[in-house]
Amino acid sequence: NAGVMQNPRHLVRRRGQEARLRCSPMKGHSHVYWYRQLPEEGLKFMVYLQKENIIDESGMPKERFSAEFPKEGPSILRIQQVVRGDSAAYFCASSPGQGSYEQYFGPGTRLTVT
Amino acid sequence: GENVEQHPSTLSVQEGDSAVIKCTYSDSASNYFPWYKQELGKRPQLIIDIRSNVGEKKDQRIAVTLNKTAKHFSLHITETQPEDSAVYFCAASRAEKLTFGTGTRLTIIP
Repeated sequence: NAGVMQNPRHLVRRRGQEARLRCSPMKGHSHVYWYRQLPEEGLKFMVYLQKENIIDESGMPKERFSAEFPKEGPSILRIQQVVRGDSAAYFCASSPGQGSYEQYFGPGTRLTVT
Repeated sequence: GENVEQHPSTLSVQEGDSAVIKCTYSDSASNYFPWYKQELGKRPQLIIDIRSNVGEKKDQRIAVTLNKTAKHFSLHITETQPEDSAVYFCAASRAEKLTFGTGTRLTIIP
């Protein structure tokens, strides 16, 4: 039973480029969450999605960041025109929903903006 | 919104001793309180959780207590071992959005 999968594990982008981070939830899980972790800091909620729906995006920066979870395929976190301050570890988590609150995390994508 | 405070930020204990990490939360509607362990460069791992209708939960050497009135919850690790060394995060949620504490770096001294 595969856990939450994320790719790529490491991503290097120059300032101004786009970053696309992918997350495949655990089998049977329909809820996906994205968190950002800066070095030596805690995890900050960004967005919560279900298939084809954004449920809560209160943690997403207003500009340059977007997320989707299409009917088919992985969830994608997209960062346009990256800046150095976007360098961080981005973790995806999934849960089965339906009253089950446990969230299980993927290995993360470490984004470095040069 | 929810605010979670976690103390201490660092904790060193002798192997075999107990470790206690404490968190407070602000939103009285929060009803789910998980604890995660994160080793360097790895993913956060769910180690134990508790819901608001329960005061205490235990799993082998790990236990969590919840005081809803005071809005605080604690992680207790007994008989600590070197592999317990990691950063531990508490979190609180309602409606599935987790708000994390700032983490406690636990070091077990052999």
